Amino acid sequence: RKEVEQDPGPFNVPEGATVAFNCTYSNSASQSFFWYRQDCRKEPKLLMSVYSSGNEDGRFTAQLNRASQYISLLIRDSKLSDSATYLCVVNEYRDDKIIFGKGTRLHILP
Amino acid sequence: EPEVTQTPSHQVTQMGQEVILRCVPISNHLYFYWYRQILGQKVEFLVSFYNNEISEKSEIFDDQFSVERPDGSNFTLKIRSTKLEDSAMYFCASSVRGQGRNYGYTFGSGTRLTVV
Repeated sequence: RKEVEQDPGPFNVPEGATVAFNCTYSNSASQSFFWYRQDCRKEPKLLMSVYSSGNEDGRFTAQLNRASQYISLLIRDSKLSDSATYLCVVNEYRDDKIIFGKGTRLHILP
Repeated sequence: EPEVTQTPSHQVTQMGQEVILRCVPISNHLYFYWYRQILGQKVEFLVSFYNNEISEKSEIFDDQFSVERPDGSNFTLKIRSTKLEDSAMYFCASSVRGQGRNYGYTFGSGTRLTVV
């Protein structure tokens, strides 16, 4: 079973729409969760951490469901600049590494 | 905003040659990492480094790989005898670890290694 699984997409979404991604993780001991964004041939950039209580940053909302071992990312009022690959990332605190999913590609259409 | 700096941005080398990839982590970060991403594939963990020693490494990080922090600011990845399959983007990252929580990593812009 893969450690971190994501729907690879692509998601083709019109500008202004709302889009949501899910990600499942296999290690129940995972303690830290993140969404990263990666543009083509660029480095991953931290979008937001995901907390147990859920968190929001502007148009972005992240949620964690420990019982079902998934995290989600919701993007409201999508912009053309949101087009990228969104990477789900998990970490078990005592493990000194973070594990990446393969990413979900998002294309925002004008 | 503090940055992780990597050099060179692109390195072409012949199979069997040694390469050294260089990174300058963010100055107050204590944990350092190398990851790689083969074109079209996911980002893969190679090695983590803390307190001047390797804290964890993956099965990819075999005897051909080594890391060093030679002078307190640079963090290097050496591949002793490159293979074609080492061609990838190599990302350096650094992080601050708060008590009980990982605040996320900052990645450098990467070195694209092409082995010919």
